[in-house]
Amino acid sequence: GEDVEQSLFLSVREGDSSVINCTYTDSSSTYLYWYKQEPGAGLQLLTYIFSNMDMKQDQRLTVLLNKKDKHLSLRIADTQTGDSAIYFCAAISGYSTLTFGKGTMLLVSP
Amino acid sequence: AAGVIQSPRHLIKEKRETATLKCYPIPRHDTVYWYQQGPGQDPQFLISFYEKMQSDKGSIPDRFSAQQFSDYHSELNMSSLELGDSALYFCASSLEGDREDTDTQYFGPGTRLTVL
Repeated sequence: GEDVEQSLFLSVREGDSSVINCTYTDSSSTYLYWYKQEPGAGLQLLTYIFSNMDMKQDQRLTVLLNKKDKHLSLRIADTQTGDSAIYFCAAISGYSTLTFGKGTMLLVSP
Repeated sequence: AAGVIQSPRHLIKEKRETATLKCYPIPRHDTVYWYQQGPGQDPQFLISFYEKMQSDKGSIPDRFSAQQFSDYHSELNMSSLELGDSALYFCASSLEGDREDTDTQYFGPGTRLTVL
């Protein structure tokens, strides 16, 4: 089945760019997603990218997909303290189920 | 915009008791998914339903069952609760079709279940 891996922790200063990386194993994954989870809260869909795209930009968020290397990244420009959260990379596997990475904790310091 | 609604938001049960979690998908969404997130863990897929039929099954214990009703809401029934069932239970919904965001899952706020 699908296996999704992410780095566990990233610390940046306010105003810097953050880059969170993710790798996946199933080359047939059609959609890849980024979700944000604040402490004790639900999963907020941030953005997604279809597998036939290599880049998607949405305001401060840029998603890059390298399908050959099965590598996905999320870049947050001008990172703010409110961006501090856990970010999950997820890939579609099976019928339509999501397989999540372990999550990357992003800590933004003033 | 309307989101996925889950109830209750918090639930405390004793071991060996039963619990029922409810999920109301985004209006017009026809597919519901259940996930379990243990403390410090990533969400794990349990089960999904499309048009009231089970569409996929993940790591759902035999003590748990679920169904989707004619109004598309779903219930997760959990029996013989164990300490290890303490977790955040998420419901997500999506819409089948040809749109760009087909199968994109939108999550509810979760139900935090504590088993004592």
